[in-house]
Amino acid sequence: DGGITQSPKYLFRKEGQNVTLSCEQNLNHDAMYWYRQDPGQGLRLIYYSQIVNDFQKGDIAEGYSVSREKKESFPLTVTSAQKNPTAFYLCASSREGDTDTQYFGPGTRLTVL
Amino acid sequence: AQKVTQAQTEISVVEKEDVTLDCVYETRDTTYYLFWYKQPPSGELVFLIRRNSFDEQNEISGRYSWNFQKSTSSFNFTITASQVVDSAVYFCALSEGHGNEKLTFGTGTRLTIIP
Repeated sequence: DGGITQSPKYLFRKEGQNVTLSCEQNLNHDAMYWYRQDPGQGLRLIYYSQIVNDFQKGDIAEGYSVSREKKESFPLTVTSAQKNPTAFYLCASSREGDTDTQYFGPGTRLTVL
Repeated sequence: AQKVTQAQTEISVVEKEDVTLDCVYETRDTTYYLFWYKQPPSGELVFLIRRNSFDEQNEISGRYSWNFQKSTSSFNFTITASQVVDSAVYFCALSEGHGNEKLTFGTGTRLTIIP
């Protein structure tokens, strides 16, 4: 079955630690995205990548970093510089040419203690 | 800058009632795309529909229907004969231009269907 997987579902970290969230897709999609969702709010774009080895900052990139070494993978690192890292993180992907329909993974809920 | 407004924060209706979720958007582009996503309690966003700015034809899919009106910059979503499984948070989103552009989301409407 094709789809987007994110692991783990729940993640707990101590304040000051970096943490990496996994996102893998086997849909052969070129573009991948990371969003953050806070309670009662919409999704906000952190980073996106339209092609391997290239990525762009979204609206709230500060305190986050990404890499895109493989087409299938787009990991997100939440660094200690992110002031309020506790949130629900959603990864998405879309096909080049399938203008903008993004399909989402199940999300990772990060709690920083 | 693009913006999406979902003024209804929460809606509760009794099962089998019809319910309409409002979405108003702002954009300077003449080419844009509008979306609706459903977020059930599990958290994953489920794609429901995409509509481009040149197609104002309303769409019906089973109990779901969408009303796109450029004159009022609205893209409203109606669920007919609601069911408990429709309980979720629904997001409207906008993307400008062509290619893999970013989505701007509204703040969502939490819909609760009361059995």
